[in-house]
Amino acid sequence: DADVTQTPRNRITKTGKRIMLECSQTKGHDRMYWYRQDPGLGLRLIYYSFDVKDINKGEISDGYSVSRQAQAKFSLSLESAIPNQTALYFCATSDFAATGGETQYFGPGTRLLVL
Amino acid sequence: SQQGEEDPQALSIQEGENATMNCSYKTSINNLQWYRQNSGRGLVHLILIRSNEREKHSGRLRVTLDTSKKSSSLLITASRAADTASYFCATDQAGTALIFGKGTTLSVSS
Repeated sequence: DADVTQTPRNRITKTGKRIMLECSQTKGHDRMYWYRQDPGLGLRLIYYSFDVKDINKGEISDGYSVSRQAQAKFSLSLESAIPNQTALYFCATSDFAATGGETQYFGPGTRLLVL
Repeated sequence: SQQGEEDPQALSIQEGENATMNCSYKTSINNLQWYRQNSGRGLVHLILIRSNEREKHSGRLRVTLDTSKKSSSLLITASRAADTASYFCATDQAGTALIFGKGTTLSVSS
């Protein structure tokens, strides 16, 4: 089984709808992240969480919210979806090490289309 | 804004040739990492180089880091068609999440 899973893998929704993307991990990592990827723009950080009680905004948090339900679960919500939120969304976890830095492990992605 | 900028944006080579891609960044870092992404899939970690290291090897990969120039390079030797992917650098600053660049798209033809 995959260590980092995302559901759904594909989603089509309409403008104004609220949707939730879910991420689960079995790696036991404290840190979790949500990114979006658009062609030519690389990965942009939406939100990140260093532990269950710590939530931080990333570069592009407007229009998004998150919930860290448990160490293993980190959900991303679009409160009122708009077409420019059409993108590929990735969840990632990391095994932060104080001396070595963190390596991130990515889920397979959720392809979202907002009509 | 993004910290790392990869160069070139796209690279096309023949199998067996070496591929070199570069990453420049703006502020001090703890370490720099390179990731690979096959089309539409999640990124996979390749290699991490710490700020006090100058060069690191992993199989056919060689990474260099020049902190005075705030730049890094990734060399893939003897490229294979299976190396076709996008490659991203990511910088690690204390207390923040990794910041990824926009990536270099590598195409290796047989």
